[in-house]
Amino acid sequence: QVQLVQSGAEVKKPGASVKVSCKASGYTFTSYGISWVRQAPGQGLEWMGWISTYNGNTNYAQKLQGRVTMTTDTSTSTAYMELRSLRSDDTAVYYCARDLTVDTAMVAFDYWGQGTLVTVSS
Amino acid sequence: DIQMTQSPSTLSASVGDRVTITCRASQSISSWLAWYQQKPGKAPKLLIYKASSLESGVPSRFSGSGSGTEFTLTISSLQPDDFATYYCQQYNSWVTFGPGTKVDIK
Repeated sequence: QVQLVQSGAEVKKPGASVKVSCKASGYTFTSYGISWVRQAPGQGLEWMGWISTYNGNTNYAQKLQGRVTMTTDTSTSTAYMELRSLRSDDTAVYYCARDLTVDTAMVAFDYWGQGTLVTVSS
Repeated sequence: DIQMTQSPSTLSASVGDRVTITCRASQSISSWLAWYQQKPGKAPKLLIYKASSLESGVPSRFSGSGSGTEFTLTISSLQPDDFATYYCQQYNSWVTFGPGTKVDIK
């Protein structure tokens, strides 16, 4: 069965970086893209960006450009999301999600990881 | 950027009720719309994609309709497991989500 298993909760100070992992299993990793979505406490869903697991192409949300990097390791079927220069308003649950296709960022998501809480606090 | 709105923001209903949630886009998104269900502390679950296609394994009481700028999610007979928050998502131009509709017990 398809599973996306994310790394554990993180507590970071303002200005630090965080790297969240998302290990996929149960399907051919390079046949579906991976997107990242975050959800601040009590708030809605915010798309962060996408990576093609096939060729490494990425698209990032404009508001995060310059602070976020998404990568993959196809040898371990793992996707990574790194967010730098963390601020208090980056406190959120971060989700990875499997795309319905591999070749575009404009897509719906059929499987989701369990979420990783990132808390930014001094 | 395409903005998404949902109405109502909260909906109180009883088991067995027919429930309709509306999602509007700030410009035409053709049929590039998905609906998700989210329960507290859990990841969202895909219900509908391409406006009206039912995701595999999702009960047939869920249905989606619409195109262009106005879309609806209908639950034909609300079940106890359906009390949750529902989000629409457009993927015509990048990705944006609606603010959500919470369905709670009347």
